[in-house]
Amino acid sequence: ELKVEQNPLFLSMQEGKNYTIYCNYSTTSDRLYWYRQDPGKSLESLFVLLSNGAVKQEGRLMASLDTKARLSTLHITAAVHDLSATYFCAVKMYSGGGADGLTFGKGTHLIIQP
Amino acid sequence: DAGVIQSPRHEVTEMGQEVTLRCKPISGHNSLFWYRQTMMRGLELLIYFNNNVPIDDSGMPEDRFSAKMPNASFSTLKIQPSEPRDSAVYFCASSLPGGFSNQPQHFGDGTRLSIL
Repeated sequence: ELKVEQNPLFLSMQEGKNYTIYCNYSTTSDRLYWYRQDPGKSLESLFVLLSNGAVKQEGRLMASLDTKARLSTLHITAAVHDLSATYFCAVKMYSGGGADGLTFGKGTHLIIQP
Repeated sequence: DAGVIQSPRHEVTEMGQEVTLRCKPISGHNSLFWYRQTMMRGLELLIYFNNNVPIDDSGMPEDRFSAKMPNASFSTLKIQPSEPRDSAVYFCASSLPGGFSNQPQHFGDGTRLSIL
């Protein structure tokens, strides 16, 4: 059974600081996703990571993937209040081609204070 | 472009009633997913379809839950009879075929279901 663990589950930080959210998963997979969810809203896709060593950046967010360690990170640089949200990592359930369901981590609830 | 469309947005009903949730995927997407989100269990996959065919329904909690996809542009998730523990936000998502590996699943706005 695929398990996805995120840490921390809750993070309160100040504007301007840097921090990293970690996502570990238990079995081989070929795709890892990061999503953002604002309170009462839907999930917004941030990144899709496909291969070992993949790094993607969008604004103050950067995601990376180490498939050998089964670890992905989401790094926040110089945080601003607008980044306050819950961040989920999700792993495709089966290796290989085809669309499959995702297993989600429990999410990291991020609060960025002025 | 229209995203994934779910209806209703909110549903409040009494225990024992039948509940039907609806989803219209993004045009051209041939994979459709139903997820449930609760505080206790987080986001869970219930069932997904490829080309209108159910592929994996192992996440469906019990026989009270059923899902159909009669055509490429419509899916339903039905709960009969409903119970208070079914209260959750139900999300529908769709995606392009698996070969488009750099594309995410796109989520609808969800249906917030409350069973009294």
